[in-house]
Amino acid sequence: EDKVVQSPLSLVVHEGDTVTLNCSYEVTNFRSLLWYKQEKKAPTFLFMLTSSGIEKKSGRLSSILDKKELFSILNITATQTGDSAIYLCAVEYRVTGGGNKLTFGTGTQLKVEL
Amino acid sequence: NAGVTQTPKFRVLKTGQSMTLLCAQDMNHEYMYWYRQDPGMGLRLIHYSVGEGTTAKGEVPDGYNVSRLKKQNFLLGLESAAPSQTSVYFCASSPHRDRIYSGNTIYFGEGSWLTVV
Repeated sequence: EDKVVQSPLSLVVHEGDTVTLNCSYEVTNFRSLLWYKQEKKAPTFLFMLTSSGIEKKSGRLSSILDKKELFSILNITATQTGDSAIYLCAVEYRVTGGGNKLTFGTGTQLKVEL
Repeated sequence: NAGVTQTPKFRVLKTGQSMTLLCAQDMNHEYMYWYRQDPGMGLRLIHYSVGEGTTAKGEVPDGYNVSRLKKQNFLLGLESAAPSQTSVYFCASSPHRDRIYSGNTIYFGEGSWLTVV
C-alpha cells in the first residue's frame, strides 16, 4: 500500500531556531515529491522534487530528496512566527488508466514562539 | 484569475440529509480530485477524475459519489450524511503532466467546511 509518513507530528521552537522536517515514502511509479505549507485555508506550494541530491531553495526554506533511501527533508532556518503552519509532504505517482495521484502525509504542525 | 472554486464554503447538515459540493476550475485541467482533511490525518483522497466522464475511487470513497459531466466541474455528493463526514473538503485540479511548467503539480480550492449534526 502506498504511504507517506511525516515526522515529527508537531514541533514547537523559538524564533531564530533551525528546524528539519522529515518525509519518508513507499509508492510505486514515483514521479515527484512535493512540499506544501498550510495555514488557515488551502495548502500553498513550496517545492517539487524529482531528482536525488539536488537542493531546492527559496529564501530560508530548502529541501532535498533521496530516492534511494526514499525520503525528503524540509529545512527552515532562522524561523519566524510567520512560519507557524502545517507542513504537508505529498508524493505524486502514476495510476493505471493515466493521470497522477497524490498521497499526502499527515503533516507536521510547526509552531514558532517569540 | 479564479483558479479552483468550491461552493458552498460552509454548511451544516442533519444526519441523513444529502448534499452536493461543487468544484469548478477555469484552467482547463484534465485531472480533478476531492480530498477531506481531518485533524491529525493530513489530506485523504476521496475520489478523483482523469478526464471528463471518468471517475475513480481514492482512499476513503465510502458514503460519497462524484460526477464529472463537464471538464471544468467535479461534483461531490453525500448520499446520506453521517457525523463521521464532518470535515474540511478540498477540491483540487492538475494539468496533464506534459503541461506542468511551474513545478506545482496541483492547485487547491479554498476548502468547504461541513458539519453533520
